[in-house]
Amino acid sequence: GAVVSQHPSWVICKSGTSVKIECRSLDFQATTMFWYRQFPKQSLMLMATSNEGSKATYEQGVEKDKFLINHASLTLSTLTVTSAHPEDSSFYICSARDRLAGAEIQYFGAGTRLSVL
Amino acid sequence: QKEVEQDPGPLSVPEGAIVSLNCTYSNSAFQYFMWYRQYSRKGPELLMYTYSSGNKEDGRFTAQVDKSSKYISLFIRDSQPSDSATYLCAMRAGANNLFFGTGTRLTVIP
Repeated sequence: GAVVSQHPSWVICKSGTSVKIECRSLDFQATTMFWYRQFPKQSLMLMATSNEGSKATYEQGVEKDKFLINHASLTLSTLTVTSAHPEDSSFYICSARDRLAGAEIQYFGAGTRLSVL
Repeated sequence: QKEVEQDPGPLSVPEGAIVSLNCTYSNSAFQYFMWYRQYSRKGPELLMYTYSSGNKEDGRFTAQVDKSSKYISLFIRDSQPSDSATYLCAMRAGANNLFFGTGTRLTVIP
């Protein structure tokens, strides 16, 4: 299957700093990428949908100024958690749709565990 | 009512057993149905996807979709300890976003 690479896999930062997470589709072009958040023993919560070259669409309750998303190319999307606080500690997962495979195939990265001290 | 309902388990079975995982849903517009496997602290891995109703088999895994009952299943034959993970059902209508179940934690005991 297609590969979605996500970095870093784990990051620890101090409260008030910003953290950038990268998501790359390695062997396919992704016009649409998604960012999810997952709390322990819970399912994935969609945070935002990003389309290449346009502004991201955020889900209700997700602060767009706190979670900055940039989808600069067909293979790269970034999520920046600005001024991170301990309550932002979570598991963040990106996902990408394979453009050529049609709308039904969505692949996920390995996730980034963010710990804010 | 949630869009997708899934029993969170946990479910424990002995090695070699047949495992049945299920989800129900309320939105009749869902057309694409997927099962993902997620190991602890990892991202979801696509196992099976099905379009509309019917069965699909891939090795030890069989996915079934019954749109009339709004019910989907994943069967795992000859379960192995390496199958121990959380299994997430997911579905969508057309090009819209995925809706996930809460996931079922499965443990296969050697």
